[in-house]
Amino acid sequence: GEDVEQSLFLSVREGDSSVINCTYTDSSSTYLYWYKQEPGAGLQLLTYIFSNMDMKQDQRLTVLLNKKDKHLSLRIADTQTGDSAIYFCAEVVNTDKLIFGTGTRLQVFP
Amino acid sequence: DSGVTQTPKHLITATGQRVTLRCSPRSGDLSVYWYQQSLDQGLQFLIQYYNGEERAKGNILERFSAQQFPDLHSELNLSSLELGDSALYFCASSPSSSLRSYEQYFGPGTRLTVT
Repeated sequence: GEDVEQSLFLSVREGDSSVINCTYTDSSSTYLYWYKQEPGAGLQLLTYIFSNMDMKQDQRLTVLLNKKDKHLSLRIADTQTGDSAIYFCAEVVNTDKLIFGTGTRLQVFP
Repeated sequence: DSGVTQTPKHLITATGQRVTLRCSPRSGDLSVYWYQQSLDQGLQFLIQYYNGEERAKGNILERFSAQQFPDLHSELNLSSLELGDSALYFCASSPSSSLRSYEQYFGPGTRLTVT
């Protein structure tokens, strides 16, 4: 199948780290992405990782990829209230389709 | 502001009707992608056009069709509308023909409500 699964909700305190997890199914995926959707807005690409990488760091964002378990995670360090949004992981399937996960709603409280 | 524009912002119509959603990509982008976001189906890729030609197809219903014009703007046509077609429809653009490019820029979306 082409299911990309994420937990639905995550609540963290401001200043803590957030970890959003994603499980994908297509072992041939070459690119995996994280997008952010703020209320009433479109999707914004946050970061991506190539399948030959285990980790990618981009400022406060760290992406970890475990190809064996088909598990992708996004860690946000020093989470701020402005990080409150829905986060989607996505994988490329068959080189021509982008499949999105169900989305994780991150709520950051003071 | 991503540079991708979509019109209209909101659309309310009745079952059985037909609507057209419009997307203008970022200047210079050749690829346009259409996505549907609904509560029960999540975010789904519908179709991609590159420089006027259909390039990839996702979960697009036969009642739906799209095209990309010589000026690179795109239209998504939805016909014989059903209540379940109510959703947010996003357009994205990219300079690349391949979905492997991470450079997809999303528009603000058109919210379609079918009553």
